[in-house]
Amino acid sequence: AQKVTQAQTEISVVEKEDVTLDCVYETRDTTYYLFWYKQPPSGELVFLIRRNSFDEQNEISGRYSWNFQKSTSSFNFTITASQVVDSAVYFCALSEAGTNAGKSTFGDGTTLTVKP
Amino acid sequence: EAGVAQSPRYKIIEKRQSVAFWCNPISGHATLYWYQQILGQGPKLLIQFQNNGVVDDSQLPKDRFSAERLKGVDSTLKIQPAKLEDSAVYLCASSLDPSAIYIDEQFFGPGTRLTVL
Repeated sequence: AQKVTQAQTEISVVEKEDVTLDCVYETRDTTYYLFWYKQPPSGELVFLIRRNSFDEQNEISGRYSWNFQKSTSSFNFTITASQVVDSAVYFCALSEAGTNAGKSTFGDGTTLTVKP
Repeated sequence: EAGVAQSPRYKIIEKRQSVAFWCNPISGHATLYWYQQILGQGPKLLIQFQNNGVVDDSQLPKDRFSAERLKGVDSTLKIQPAKLEDSAVYLCASSLDPSAIYIDEQFFGPGTRLTVL
């Protein structure tokens, strides 16, 4: 069975601080995908990044960066120089490949509050 | 490009009543998902369709929940009869056709907030 754990329920930072959101996953599959989604107060989940299990290259996109480490089953997300607009709930998700391609398991999310 | 459409946005019903939610995915997306998101939790997959066939419905409470996707486009999720614990946001998402080795991101609708009294 797939499982995604986001141990940090809530994080509060002051604007311009760096913040890292943790994600740990469990799967028996060798091929899988990991995602991060953002859910702003408006409620609609928005895709941020996708990583497959064979690509451990870290990725940077503007102020966002992601660190995928297969050895520790972690896919952490860092926001550099946080801004008030980054305040949202962030979800990590694991999707199966193979027979049930696309079947997804989400973590319970981390609520990030960025104060001015 | 139009996003995933859902209706209604809000619904309040009494327990034991019935309710239905509608979803129109992004044009050309073969895969459609229904999720239940209880307050403070992540989305939980209820059912996944690929075109008009069911890929996975292992977490759908089949004694009270049903879903269909006629003609492989729109989808309807029904609850009959509703229980207090069904109060949640019901999210619909769609994606391009996932293959055995490549999974696209999901595009989510705004959700339907259901309150069961």
